[in-house]
Amino acid sequence: ETGVTQSPTHLIKTRGQQVTLRCSSQSGHNTVSWYQQALGQGPQFIFQYYREEENGRGNFPPRFSGLQFPNYSSELNVNALELDDSALYLCASTIGGVGETQYFGPGTRLLVL
Amino acid sequence: GEDVEQSLFLSVREGDSSVINCTYTDSSSTYLYWYKQEPGAGLQLLTYIFSNMDMKQDQRLTVLLNKKDKHLSLRIADTQTGDSAIYFCAADGGATNKLIFGTGTLLAVQP
Repeated sequence: ETGVTQSPTHLIKTRGQQVTLRCSSQSGHNTVSWYQQALGQGPQFIFQYYREEENGRGNFPPRFSGLQFPNYSSELNVNALELDDSALYLCASTIGGVGETQYFGPGTRLLVL
Repeated sequence: GEDVEQSLFLSVREGDSSVINCTYTDSSSTYLYWYKQEPGAGLQLLTYIFSNMDMKQDQRLTVLLNKKDKHLSLRIADTQTGDSAIYFCAADGGATNKLIFGTGTLLAVQP
């Protein structure tokens, strides 16, 4: 158990819809990162939040956005869903700083039809 | 750009040793990680190594790092059927905290 939880576990949406995925980090973990893992691939970095501010972003379009809250929870929002957004979305939390171990949640599996 | 590569598949017999290899391109990576992913599950951190180390041993796991060649390996001694999973190598993105993952190696353990 990593102490990181995600909801929902599974989700089905249709193209063009919007989705919000949630993550709850361990207490004291100020940094949360979100990753997208397409089928048969390794996770790809979407973005990272540190103390409620975006702190780095991967090669994802602006329709992927996030929020981090003071209670160590965070959200990943995806607008105008596309079929290729179907993937496992993972959040990972850490105390912060390079080299700090990132603890992953179990993920949310999103299917876009 | 930053990249991490792994072989796709490894098959071993129960009780044998498994060696999973990985190469990375970002020489500024400070830490290198091995994660395990079982079907339908998230990522479990197995072990990690600091870039100024050559080797790290943790029970059945041995990590070897050749920083000059940017080559990382994970050896699992006495491999068990429960070790069957996908293993991901990851490098930290230098100055940032992001992780760059390989495509994963599927380890199949035959009884």
